Order: sequence, then structure tokens, then C-alpha cells
Amino acid sequence: KQEVTQIPAALSVPEGENLVLNCSFTDSAIYNLQWFRQDPGKGLTSLLLIQSSQREQTSGRLNASLDKSSGRSTLYIAASQPGDSATYLCAVRPGDDKIIFGKGTRLHILP
Amino acid sequence: DTAVSQTPKYLVTQMGNDKSIKCEQNLGHDTMYWYKQDSKKFLKIMFSYNNKELIINETVPNRFSPKSPDKAHLNLHINSLELGDSAVYFCASSQVEGGQYFGPGTRLTVT
Repeated sequence: KQEVTQIPAALSVPEGENLVLNCSFTDSAIYNLQWFRQDPGKGLTSLLLIQSSQREQTSGRLNASLDKSSGRSTLYIAASQPGDSATYLCAVRPGDDKIIFGKGTRLHILP
Repeated sequence: DTAVSQTPKYLVTQMGNDKSIKCEQNLGHDTMYWYKQDSKKFLKIMFSYNNKELIINETVPNRFSPKSPDKAHLNLHINSLELGDSAVYFCASSQVEGGQYFGPGTRLTVT
């Protein structure tokens, strides 16, 4: 059974710092892995999608890596800003039409 | 233009009532989903549906039923609402092996 774990559950860092969010999954047989952000009371916004054949994806200050063999993904945020404060969710898609979410990391960037 | 839309955004109703939430996507995706986000903010898939197959999460009560009038719509019907059904419900869509795009959510409150 696929399980997705995100560490840490919450993180506070001063503005301007670089940071890494971690995601681990128990079954390496996945179609893809997706990172989302969710602002309080809002829906999910897709940040980066990594297909199983890829090792990383970049978008602006965000970089996501994928190591299927070890069941790990990281989301790197460079030069953090207060607007980055949100909950970040990692989700993996197994070989069927399911998607499994982690419980998220609540990120707070201190001005 | 909104890619995935849901109505209503908020829904307050009494126990025992029957209600529906509508979802539409204009992305041309093949598969649509319904998720429930509980008070602990944990996202869990309820259904996935494409033209061929409905996949139901085994934990979903049969009071919940998805209805798809066409490829761009997947509505969620809930019968005999219970207090524990209070949550935020998200609709999403995707292509095969693609990333998921989420709607803004419907906050359901059962009193």
C-alpha cells in the first residue's frame, strides 16, 4: 500500500533563506509525483510535476527532485519570500487512477 | 478562464438533506476526481472517473455518488447528509499520466 510522508509538518524560516521540503513514498512504482501549494481557505495550485522518467523539474525559484529508487522527493525553494507562506503538499500517482497525498508541510516565512 | 470550476463555493445544510456539488473542467481532460479534505486538512481521494471506468475509494459511504453527464462534468451527489460529512470537497481533472488540476473547493457545513 502506497503511503506518502512529508517532513517536517511545519517550518518557519526568515525571509531570504533557502529551504528544502521533503517527501517520501513507500512504493517506487509511480507514474509521476506532483507538488502543490494550498493557501488557507483556498484550493490547490500545482507547482511542479515530475514524471517517473525524470529526475527534476524547475520553475522560477522552485526546484523539485525525484529519486524513485529511494522513494524520495525534495522541493527546494530559493530566496524565500513572505508570499511563499502556505501549505505544501506532495502527491504521488501510482499506476492506476489514484493519487495519494502527504499531509503537507505548513511553511511560514518570517518577514 | 477557469480551468476547473465548482459550484457552490459554500454550502450549509441540515442533517438528512440531499445535496449536489457541480464540477466542470474546460481542459479537455479524460479523467475527473473528487477529493475530501477533512478538518485536519488531510486530502483523500473519493472517486476517479473517466469515460470507461468509475473507481471508488472503498472507504466512501454509498450515500455519495458521482454523476457524469458528459466528459467535462462530474457532479457529486450526497444523500442523507451527516454531521461528519462537513468538509471541503475538491474536484480535479487530469490527462492520462498528467498532473492534476484542482477546482477552488466547496466548503460543506452540515448542521
